[in-house]
Amino acid sequence: NAGVMQNPRHLVRRRGQEARLRCSPMKGHSHVYWYRQLPEEGLKFMVYLQKENIIDESGMPKERFSAEFPKEGPSILRIQQVVRGDSAAYFCASSQGQGMDQPQHFGDGTRLSIL
Amino acid sequence: DQQVKQNSPSLSVQEGRISILNCDYTNSMFDYFLWYKKYPAEGPTFLISISSIKDKNEDGRFTVFLNKSAKHLSLHIVPSQPGDSAVYFCAASGYTGTASKLTFGTGTRLQVTL
Repeated sequence: NAGVMQNPRHLVRRRGQEARLRCSPMKGHSHVYWYRQLPEEGLKFMVYLQKENIIDESGMPKERFSAEFPKEGPSILRIQQVVRGDSAAYFCASSQGQGMDQPQHFGDGTRLSIL
Repeated sequence: DQQVKQNSPSLSVQEGRISILNCDYTNSMFDYFLWYKKYPAEGPTFLISISSIKDKNEDGRFTVFLNKSAKHLSLHIVPSQPGDSAVYFCAASGYTGTASKLTFGTGTRLQVTL
């Protein structure tokens, strides 16, 4: 029963490096969402994508962050020139659609640590 | 601006008793609410949801109640089991043209004791 797969589970980067986080949605799901969780906080929405399209990026920082969901392959969240404040858990979720009976299912996250 | 609030950071309940987790929201555009359970080092797991046209939804040991006028919802777990010990997040969604963006509360840590 393949759920939402995220890799890597843990990622360590030095300040100024790039971080790439990958997410493969559940089979049959074409909607992907990225959330960020800082310590002791709830999850904060970042971006919502469908295949090859960004639908809503209202939660993405304006600089250094980008996301894609190509026709083939996983969704990628890319953070350029990382800073200490980027340290967080990044969760990906997927759903079949936007309907009320189609909840988002989450992966186990990528824990990003910036040295 | 915290639009979804879980004012109790933690809750301890004895096994077999009822657990009641509360959630308040401020945005009247929210019309779909969900509860997720999260274990350490894992992603949130969907538990139960409710649409704003209903005031109650039940699934096994889990029941969610919605009071729209008070902008309040609660999750009841009965009977509580040790395996229910986790952090519970309330989330809300509303039609803004991109209906599926979820706004989460900060979570309530439930401890079910023997």
